[in-house]
Amino acid sequence: QVQLVESGGRLVKPGGSLRLSCATSGFTFSDYFMTWIRQPPGRGLEWVSHITNSAAGSRQNYADSVKGRFTISRDNAKTSLHLQMNSLRAEDTAVYFCARVSRISLVHLDSWGQGTLVTVSS
Amino acid sequence: QSVLTQPPSVSGAPGQRVTISCTGSTSNIGAGHAVHWYQQLPGTAPKVLIYGNMNRPSGVPDRFSGSKSGTSASLAITGLQAEDEADYFCQSYDTSLSGYVFGTGTKVTVL
Repeated sequence: QVQLVESGGRLVKPGGSLRLSCATSGFTFSDYFMTWIRQPPGRGLEWVSHITNSAAGSRQNYADSVKGRFTISRDNAKTSLHLQMNSLRAEDTAVYFCARVSRISLVHLDSWGQGTLVTVSS
Repeated sequence: QSVLTQPPSVSGAPGQRVTISCTGSTSNIGAGHAVHWYQQLPGTAPKVLIYGNMNRPSGVPDRFSGSKSGTSASLAITGLQAEDEADYFCQSYDTSLSGYVFGTGTKVTVL
């Protein structure tokens, strides 16, 4: 079955960097758009970034709040998704979810990982 | 900052019907982009309940239904059950932002 497993979250100081990974299995990873969604503690969901599939040019897009600081990438050979996070701020503290974008709508997220917690604090 | 607005909370007795609204604008829902709904149980990842305004993935009970009109959408839960106590989020695409947008979230309480 479809599985997404995030890793890499930890406590980091403001201004620091972190790389999140999402290991996937159970589907043809290269066929799907993928996305990162985050949820600050006790709050709602926020789209962070998404990347299209290879057929669509592996194009990336970012929320304004992370543009210029975060970089999304994918490794189709290793069926994994990554998020490089630089210049981290306190407001980046959140659980980060990796999610698969449905091929039906190209918007809704039909599979999610369990999330990894990133805490930015001195 | 959420672009789609939902009521913070709704509640109902078991067996009752509750609805959750999701209000957007002319750059997202009003631009014709579909609305999708997620259920998030405490301590777990969200799960899609409704996609494409009104479609249910296999396994989602038909007690859940969705609709869309103009710049708004709604999720209805009929025959409310204790297991429906959760947070619910709507989602769409925003043309101006060139990205996905989520609702503010609604906590459903079963009395």
